[in-house]
Amino acid sequence: AAGVIQSPRHLIKEKRETATLKCYPIPRHDTVYWYQQGPGQDPQFLISFYEKMQSDKGSIPDRFSAQQFSDYHSELNMSSLELGDSALYFCASSSTASWYGYTFGSGTRLTVV
Amino acid sequence: EDKVVQSPLSLVVHEGDTVTLNCSYEVTNFRSLLWYKQEKKAPTFLFMLTSSGIEKKSGRLSSILDKKELFSILNITATQTGDSAVYLCAVSYNNNDMRFGAGTRLTVKP
Repeated sequence: AAGVIQSPRHLIKEKRETATLKCYPIPRHDTVYWYQQGPGQDPQFLISFYEKMQSDKGSIPDRFSAQQFSDYHSELNMSSLELGDSALYFCASSSTASWYGYTFGSGTRLTVV
Repeated sequence: EDKVVQSPLSLVVHEGDTVTLNCSYEVTNFRSLLWYKQEKKAPTFLFMLTSSGIEKKSGRLSSILDKKELFSILNITATQTGDSAVYLCAVSYNNNDMRFGAGTRLTVKP
């Protein structure tokens, strides 16, 4: 069965560079979530989208932005990267029509050097 | 293929009931299993389990890991309406890879 696809799997960037993370949700899932999990930390909710509109905002820095496109894939754009942005970034999707749980992607590991 | 499977997908109980949530996994180079409580959209850490057979307890919640049978259970006794949430199981494996289950949505009715 298709899962949530995240790309790239790994990314190494230098400080002050920009990064774009992509997420392809389960077909027919209408909600996408982004999480950031630093080393040894709990996942932090960043932002979510429902039907391509931003639905909720968590602890997302102003340097980050995200959007969901007409094909439902989502991108997390991160600018002026800092060392502290090094983390696993997870995307998950779900359907509000019926509860089948969340489907998480495998994550993108971002390392800022 | 690495996977984490939670069951049941959803559960509705009444206050005072005891519930058991299940999490099974198949991953390479298992490191630890974590349980989170997700209310709204923010997961809150509950337990981290690394050793088989050692129960971890926090108030009315407890959890145990079976590394031979590759599963963990999360028990909640004397449930309260405030326990209503999605409970996520995640497995850390390889070199800091993480895989999440789909979650169990628990609804506790008064």
